Amino acid sequence: RKEVEQDPGPFNVPEGATVAFNCTYSNSASQSFFWYRQDCRKEPKLLMSVYSSGNEDGRFTAQLNRASQYISLLIRDSKLSDSATYLCVPLRDDKIIFGKGTRLHILP
Amino acid sequence: NAGVTQTPKFQVLKTGQSMTLQCAQDMNHEYMSWYRQDPGMGLRLIHYSVGAGITDQGEVPNGYNVSRSTTEDFPLRLLSAAPSQTSVYFCASSYSRDLILDTQYFGPGTRLTVL
Repeated sequence: RKEVEQDPGPFNVPEGATVAFNCTYSNSASQSFFWYRQDCRKEPKLLMSVYSSGNEDGRFTAQLNRASQYISLLIRDSKLSDSATYLCVPLRDDKIIFGKGTRLHILP
Repeated sequence: NAGVTQTPKFQVLKTGQSMTLQCAQDMNHEYMSWYRQDPGMGLRLIHYSVGAGITDQGEVPNGYNVSRSTTEDFPLRLLSAAPSQTSVYFCASSYSRDLILDTQYFGPGTRLTVL
């Protein structure tokens, strides 16, 4: 089983809609988790950290389910500028593992 | 602050040629790393450094060398380029290796093609 698995998409979502995608991880020792955003032909940028209690940053909500070993990202009221690839990133023993990413296209 | 800078942005090499990808940061970050990103793949760690004079191998180190003579610079050397090294290379830095506390910042990338 791969250490990090994400649905590659693409998710084609109309502007204003809510979209959610999950990421599963195989190593239960993973200590922390992050969502990164990567625009086409650009570098990855940290979107948000994922805390055990879940966290929210504006239109973005991240959740962690340790029992089922997945994290999720919810985007509400999606904007055209949200179109990007979203990378799931577990951290274990100072080792950061990048998922292959989920592509999101917001349609006007 | 310029952040993390990488040069060149694009490079084409012939098999067997050597070159150095440059990476510099002006944020006084101790931790620096090199990743490669291939189509349909996640970023994979090549080498990293936790401070000047200290380097270590990541997940895919073969074919690459690094050095860290200063805090600011972390060049990546390809000694004899191979087509399998065609990729996009990202340099990243953070204040410390503790990525729970410290955000990792990425450079804009170098797109390398080896013919």
